[in-house]
Amino acid sequence: EAQVTQNPRYLITVTGKKLTVTCSQNMNHEYMSWYRQDPGLGLRQIYYSMNVEVTDKGDVPEGYKVSRKEKRNFPLILESPSPNQTSLYFCASSPSSGGRSYEQYFGPGTRLTVT
Amino acid sequence: QQPVQSPQAVILREGEDAVINCSSSKALYSVHWYRQKHGEAPVFLMILLKGGEQKGHEKISASFNEKKQQSSLYLTASQLSYSGTYFCGTAPAGSYQLTFGKGTKLSVIP
Repeated sequence: EAQVTQNPRYLITVTGKKLTVTCSQNMNHEYMSWYRQDPGLGLRQIYYSMNVEVTDKGDVPEGYKVSRKEKRNFPLILESPSPNQTSLYFCASSPSSGGRSYEQYFGPGTRLTVT
Repeated sequence: QQPVQSPQAVILREGEDAVINCSSSKALYSVHWYRQKHGEAPVFLMILLKGGEQKGHEKISASFNEKKQQSSLYLTASQLSYSGTYFCGTAPAGSYQLTFGKGTKLSVIP
């Protein structure tokens, strides 16, 4: 089944404790992206990647890191999480390196709480 | 900069029509439309590309006015299943970034 998976689905952590949220897709998509969703603010793009080793900042990259060493994986790293990073996070992938011309396939989401 | 969606929320009775608007201050390459139900991931509806035609399937269609950098989503003869939050996403010309609006919450009641 074609899908985007994220792990963990739920995470409660403490301020400053490094964490990684994994994202994997099995559709051989070139474009991958991370979004955060907060009430009243919609979906905001954190980082995106057009292919292996090619990443760029979205609208809200501060406090986050990403890497794209393999085509199928695009982990999101929070080096020192803070309470303002409490949010619902979505990973998405798209067939084209452009991302803008094709459907985005979203993962199920990761709900992160930082205390 | 996020595109501006209007209205923020709308309540419809089954069978009524609705229009959701999306406006950007930038020259656009494409506009995406997604629907999200509570507790779920966004689901793709359609993409409109610069120079492309109006899209649609069944009772949901959309248009893209390239000169005004505006898009509209049309829902006709609404069904209960149409309830959810609708997001437009815009990709500026020359950029690979996709920016979503804050969403329009649509509620369809019997």
